Amino acid sequence: SYELTQPPSVSVSPGQTATITCSGDKLGDKYISWYQQQPGRSPVAVIHRDFERSSGIPERFSGSTSEHTATLTIRGTQATDEADYYCQAWDSTTAMFGGGTKLTVL
Amino acid sequence: ITLKESGPTLVKPTQTLMLTCSFSGFSLSTPPEGVGWIRQPPGKALEWLALIFWHDDKRYNPSLRGRLTVTKDTSRNQVVLKMTDMDPADTGTYFCAHTSLATSSLDPWGRGTLVTVS
Repeated sequence: SYELTQPPSVSVSPGQTATITCSGDKLGDKYISWYQQQPGRSPVAVIHRDFERSSGIPERFSGSTSEHTATLTIRGTQATDEADYYCQAWDSTTAMFGGGTKLTVL
Repeated sequence: ITLKESGPTLVKPTQTLMLTCSFSGFSLSTPPEGVGWIRQPPGKALEWLALIFWHDDKRYNPSLRGRLTVTKDTSRNQVVLKMTDMDPADTGTYFCAHTSLATSSLDPWGRGTLVTVS
């Protein structure tokens, strides 16, 4: 089945830019969504259709996609951004998740 | 839009799990609406399970195909997920979420329900 690969962890200093990648085959043929999940909470959509910010998401969150890699960028990272982030690839038959990345703000 | 999952918290191995997602704020008889099911084992990653759309288009995770069935009851604003032959490895929190073919995203999510297989 289709697989998406994310780095298990990313660390960033407050105020800096965090970059989380998601790699998979033929990502250009799929729509990518990104979700933020804080401990003990349900996931929240942050990006859909590669780069569209979901409702209520700050402008410092952005998404981009190339043929094999999707990227979530968080500019001016804040302590409240510390969470697990998941990418998801949508096509006409499936909507698989990546393994998740734990973002630490320190 | 709100969604809420309900069903048994404990099932025995080999039994069939039936979970209900009750929602409000949208209609599953109206395009391009849909509902998705996702699960998360304790301390592990999200796993997509299934999608169902207004026109009864259904999509399943290939690794679980054969065990999953998703149905909708538009008059009651509910979606039911059936998973057969439950195993302890199926223990986890099961979420339902609103989706749309216009966004290709799961938004928002329900609070989830913890199912233990033992």
